[in-house]
Amino acid sequence: QVQLQESGPGLVKPSQTLSLTCSVSGGSISSGGYFWSWIRQPPGGGLEWIGYIYYTGRTYYNPSLKSRLIISVDTSNNQFFLKVNSVSAADTAVYYCVRVSNTHSGYDFWGQGTLVTVSS
Amino acid sequence: QSALTQPRSVSGSPGQSVRISCSGTSGDVGAYNFVSWYQQHPGKAPKLLIYDVSERPPGVPDRFSGSKSGNTASLTIYGLQAEDDADYYCCSYAGAYTVDIFGPGTKVTVL
Repeated sequence: QVQLQESGPGLVKPSQTLSLTCSVSGGSISSGGYFWSWIRQPPGGGLEWIGYIYYTGRTYYNPSLKSRLIISVDTSNNQFFLKVNSVSAADTAVYYCVRVSNTHSGYDFWGQGTLVTVSS
Repeated sequence: QSALTQPRSVSGSPGQSVRISCSGTSGDVGAYNFVSWYQQHPGKAPKLLIYDVSERPPGVPDRFSGSKSGNTASLTIYGLQAEDDADYYCCSYAGAYTVDIFGPGTKVTVL
């Protein structure tokens, strides 16, 4: 059973960089067949796809966020990462790391989510 | 970026059926059979209910059924149960540039 766990600061100041790590267990990122994704949900709001990465390092980003995003992967430690630059209060959300098949057949394994608040 | 539309809320009594629509465009729902549905209870991560329009992952009851006609996908819950009281989100692949988009969510209330 694949498990994902987000970690990172829960509070980020406006204009700074939000950085999160997703640690994967029960399966290897480098085995292929899956994209490793970030999805966020503002308080009381809906889900927003942020982007995902393949184990090769190929990335796909939400066009509306692309200019501020970096998603990277460390296959040796079975982790992948999210960086969002120049954050504002609009970036306050629960951030989930999630696995999705490379045939787009649904986001099947989700982390528990981590709340990141942008505030001074 | 295109948007999917869902009803804000639907409700039904235990044992009844409810249908949730997910309306998109010819560039997302209408173009690909990559529609998925998620159930989310308060304070929990979403759970995959349906993928590829109508496929159920192992462990998902067959009370949950997905379908698609043109640019609109639907999730039907048959034999509504108390534990089905939750938020439901659709998601569609929208091509290599936009990739994935989510609907705004539908609150299902079991009366």
